[in-house]
Amino acid sequence: DTEVTQTPKHLVMGMTNKKSLKCEQHMGHRAMYWYKQKAKKPPELMFVYSYEKLSINESVPSRFSPECPNSSLLNLHLHALQPEDSALYLCASSQVIAGPYEQYFGPGTRLTVT
Amino acid sequence: AQKVTQAQTEISVVEKEDVTLDCVYETRDTTYYLFWYKQPPSGELVFLIRRNSFDEQNEISGRYSWNFQKSTSSFNFTITASQVVDSAVYFCALSEDTGANSKLTFGKGITLSVRP
Repeated sequence: DTEVTQTPKHLVMGMTNKKSLKCEQHMGHRAMYWYKQKAKKPPELMFVYSYEKLSINESVPSRFSPECPNSSLLNLHLHALQPEDSALYLCASSQVIAGPYEQYFGPGTRLTVT
Repeated sequence: AQKVTQAQTEISVVEKEDVTLDCVYETRDTTYYLFWYKQPPSGELVFLIRRNSFDEQNEISGRYSWNFQKSTSSFNFTITASQVVDSAVYFCALSEDTGANSKLTFGKGITLSVRP
């Protein structure tokens, strides 16, 4: 099973709202990633978790707060977002040891900030 | 610093034509990994292939084939007898690091449209 699931598929939120994006994988991968993708652009890395610890933060604004509760789950908490944060948010996972291995992506959450 | 260039931005072909998507990369490392991903209109990136820098053998998987040439720093992707379902954005990516801190550097992507 090479499936990464993400919920919700679509999210519309106001600039004062707090919401969370969820990602789950059951492939036994110990690295999980959040990407942001704007239309007609490649994905941009936001965060990497390795063995449930944050290993890379690509200078993402603090209004984005990642969390990795266990090896299968990855959350992205959103607060006080700006309209320019509207994008497709992709989660991915991969093996860790002796990599880099291919990353498996979820279908994404299409976020609109109003 | 690593860089991936996909000079073609949009390609349009008629079904059953062969099409080659170009990818040129830059890296200072001797050990690196190259990837191709497909992103259909649904949005999910689909992994197609991973190749390390020590393996220059070309690969064929059904209608897909890849030509890796270190001498020209290229990793091109050919679709034979294209089909409408091949319509998607295709990204070439490079990773120098190993393990959990590996970061993918993506090219800008090539939008392939296959017309019936």
